[in-house]
Amino acid sequence: KAGVTQTPRYLIKTRGQQVTLSCSPISGHRSVSWYQQTPGQGLQFLFEYFSETQRNKGNFPGRFSGRQFSNSRSEMNVSTLELGDSALYLCASSLTEESGNTIYFGEGSWLTVV
Amino acid sequence: AQSVTQLGSHVSVSEGALVLLRCNYSSSVPPYLFWYVQYPNQGLQLLLKYTSAATLVKGINGFEAEFKKSETSFHLTKPSAHMSDAAEYFCAVSEKGGGNKLTFGTGTQLKVEL
Repeated sequence: KAGVTQTPRYLIKTRGQQVTLSCSPISGHRSVSWYQQTPGQGLQFLFEYFSETQRNKGNFPGRFSGRQFSNSRSEMNVSTLELGDSALYLCASSLTEESGNTIYFGEGSWLTVV
Repeated sequence: AQSVTQLGSHVSVSEGALVLLRCNYSSSVPPYLFWYVQYPNQGLQLLLKYTSAATLVKGINGFEAEFKKSETSFHLTKPSAHMSDAAEYFCAVSEKGGGNKLTFGTGTQLKVEL
């Protein structure tokens, strides 16, 4: 069965632009979460979606947003990009919204802001 | 808020030696605990998770971890290191009732030497 798929894998954007990253969860999984990974801050939780509703949100500015579609696919958007947004963005999926689920990660989307 | 502490940002072992990666959590209620491994330029792969079914948890690739409530620890071990174990290892915690939000430790880079 296919794993968590993230697109694009690599992208370069200019300061002030916006970016949209896409995530397809494992088939049958209905919960999707997003994380940002940087050398300085490590792995930080962005948000979690289940049944098209945001369930949890991390401590990030409003420039970071996300959504989930009826087929459980998810997108996250970052507007007005800053140099500090350069990071690996990881998507994770799990079967339900309940804690304790096995959580599977994708390969990530590498974003470079110049 | 829950937190995870990983002692030792870098650990070096000889091939065939015991691997011990330390993780301590802070939570008044035993949470769910996870160990993930990340190889260069890849996403996170789940090694094992603790969900209160058994205190000694066996995972993939010969790794195991023991949950010790009295010490609030969940250390990862492997009896005999292999060169292919060289990677970064992350301990993570999720709160019961908190959905799939993971709080990660800062990671431990494992180096395996001949």
